[in-house]
Amino acid sequence: EIVMTQSPATLSVSPGERATLSCRASQSVSSNLAWYQQKPGQAPRLLIYGASTRATGIPARFSGSGSGTEFTLTISSLQSEDFAVYYCQQYNNWSWTFGQGTKVEIK
Amino acid sequence: EVQLVQSGAEVKKPGESLKISCKGSGYSFTSYWIGWVRQMPGKGLEWMGIIYPGDSDTRYSPSFQGQVTISADKSISTAYLQWSSLKASDTAMYYCATHSGWIDYWGQGTLVTVSS
Repeated sequence: EIVMTQSPATLSVSPGERATLSCRASQSVSSNLAWYQQKPGQAPRLLIYGASTRATGIPARFSGSGSGTEFTLTISSLQSEDFAVYYCQQYNNWSWTFGQGTKVEIK
Repeated sequence: EVQLVQSGAEVKKPGESLKISCKGSGYSFTSYWIGWVRQMPGKGLEWMGIIYPGDSDTRYSPSFQGQVTISADKSISTAYLQWSSLKASDTAMYYCATHSGWIDYWGQGTLVTVSS
């Protein structure tokens, strides 16, 4: 099973600042990597798939990069509605796995 | 509009059986994988498994193989997740979701509480 490791566990950022979240796979997943946002009491929402393609309706301030084993989600200028938990997920093989999440909180 | 509507919250005792459901609409139910994700209280997301309703091909995470059963009834566009004998550690929110590799659409979640 591919293990996904996200860092940091918690990221404290001021509104308007840039946030950079990392996700590492225990073996190559090519570009088969997605990012999700989850707010308290809500189901997750797809942000990015294919490592760098924004899902429908996702603002341009969200961007994804990377391939193989190293991936990054960047939020260019944090808005109040962006404070949430973010998960990466690999879908390179049939046993898909999530990272443990990064909580983005207000500094 | 794609919608996944899950059955309501459940409170069960250890050892009891349970089957929760997820009804899809707004898309071709038989043409997309649909699966389940667990979220234990205060914890992260865990991928459990998926089914292709068109031919009932089913895949499980090794962590959940043998612990749950995923099924689907394509005649009513509904997927299921079932347990034969619940444990307290099965207490969690369970989400159904359509899969295109990535997870496109999510249900609203079904909270399962197992307590004596």
